[in-house]
Amino acid sequence: GAGVSQTPSNKVTEKGKYVELRCDPISGHTALYWYRQSLGQGPEFLIYFQGTGAADDSGLPNDRFFAVRPEGSVSTLKIQRTERGDSAVYLCASSFTSGSGAVEQFFGPGTRLTVL
Amino acid sequence: GQSLEQPSEVTAVEGAIVQINCTYQTSGFYGLSWYQQHDGGAPTFLSYNALDGLEETGRFSSFLSRSDSYGYLLLQELQMKDSASYFCAAPRGGSYIPTFGRGTSLIVHP
Repeated sequence: GAGVSQTPSNKVTEKGKYVELRCDPISGHTALYWYRQSLGQGPEFLIYFQGTGAADDSGLPNDRFFAVRPEGSVSTLKIQRTERGDSAVYLCASSFTSGSGAVEQFFGPGTRLTVL
Repeated sequence: GQSLEQPSEVTAVEGAIVQINCTYQTSGFYGLSWYQQHDGGAPTFLSYNALDGLEETGRFSSFLSRSDSYGYLLLQELQMKDSASYFCAAPRGGSYIPTFGRGTSLIVHP
């Protein structure tokens, strides 16, 4: 079956612009996670959804970052007034339940965001 | 806080055996997962240990010692395609959300 997909695969934007990154999780997976990964680092947690609600957004670095999952499936990560420091690969992952996500998560290929 | 420490890089030759270590400091430890990530690719799940001991999955095995807060990933019969980054991960206490180590870059030489 289809895995986790993310679009776009690459996004180049200018400082101060607004961007949206999309994640389409595996069908039937109730838990969805967003991570940010910089070169030479492990994935850094941003936000986690259980169904439609953000169950934990403690990893969002500031209020320029926001994410939604209105129908409990596709999620969009939104970044306002982008800064050069936001440049990274943004990874999305899903798991069947939140508990199974503690063991195994299924990752998408990521969106490489470059802020000029 | 929570932290997982791994070596930054390990090199080995084809056919050899290599061990990637992970030490962790966490409250409310549940278990340790391992992921593989090729350059430009998505992390993919390899193995999970909830209890002490060795879990074997083909050429890959993973070990956990909860008393020592230590685990390792063992890769046998190394192949060139095993060149990748390997991450250990463990949920933070009171949560199902994993914290990842910084990753170990494995370079396999012919």
